[in-house]
Amino acid sequence: QVQLVQSGAEVKKPGASVKVSCKASGYTFTSYDINWVRQATGQGLEWMGWMNPNSGNTGYAQKFQGRVTMTRNTSISTAYMELSSLRSEDTAVYYCARADSSFIDYWGQGTLVTVSS
Amino acid sequence: SYELTQPLSVSVALGQTARITCGGNNIGSKNVHWYQQKPGQAPVLVIYRDSNRPSGIPERFSGSNSGNTATLTISRAQAGDEADYYCQVWDSSTYVVFGGGTKLTVL
Repeated sequence: QVQLVQSGAEVKKPGASVKVSCKASGYTFTSYDINWVRQATGQGLEWMGWMNPNSGNTGYAQKFQGRVTMTRNTSISTAYMELSSLRSEDTAVYYCARADSSFIDYWGQGTLVTVSS
Repeated sequence: SYELTQPLSVSVALGQTARITCGGNNIGSKNVHWYQQKPGQAPVLVIYRDSNRPSGIPERFSGSNSGNTATLTISRAQAGDEADYYCQVWDSSTYVVFGGGTKLTVL
């Protein structure tokens, strides 16, 4: 069965960076795009960007351009999302998600990132 | 950039039909997908490409899309259907776009 297992919760100080991992299993990792979506407490879903694990091509939401980097290691079927220059407003649950064409069919369990001094 | 508009909340009596709308400019020309999210859980896809149900999703969930409005319909609403629901489209300029979400309350 398809599974996306994310790394554990992180606590970071303002200005720092965070790197969240997402290990895929149960399917061919390079056959589906990986998207990253975040959700602040009590708020809606916010799309951050996508990555094609086969080519490494990426596309980022304008809001995160210059601050987010999505990468992958195909040998271990793992995708990564790194967000830099963290501020308190970046405190949220970050999800990786598999995309089947234009929709998301599987989600990771989420990773809580807390930004606090 | 493309925007999707959902009502903040919808209420439905137990066993009745709930309809959650998603508005967008000429949204009928796009594929609309719907997700259900319960507290503390990741979202779950309940409708894809306007009206298709993934395996495991009850037939009570259906979708439609025309003009400027897409609709998620939940028939014979159950207490377990209480959740937040999000619509989503893919747009060529902004890629993935989510609606703001609708909280469904089953009375």
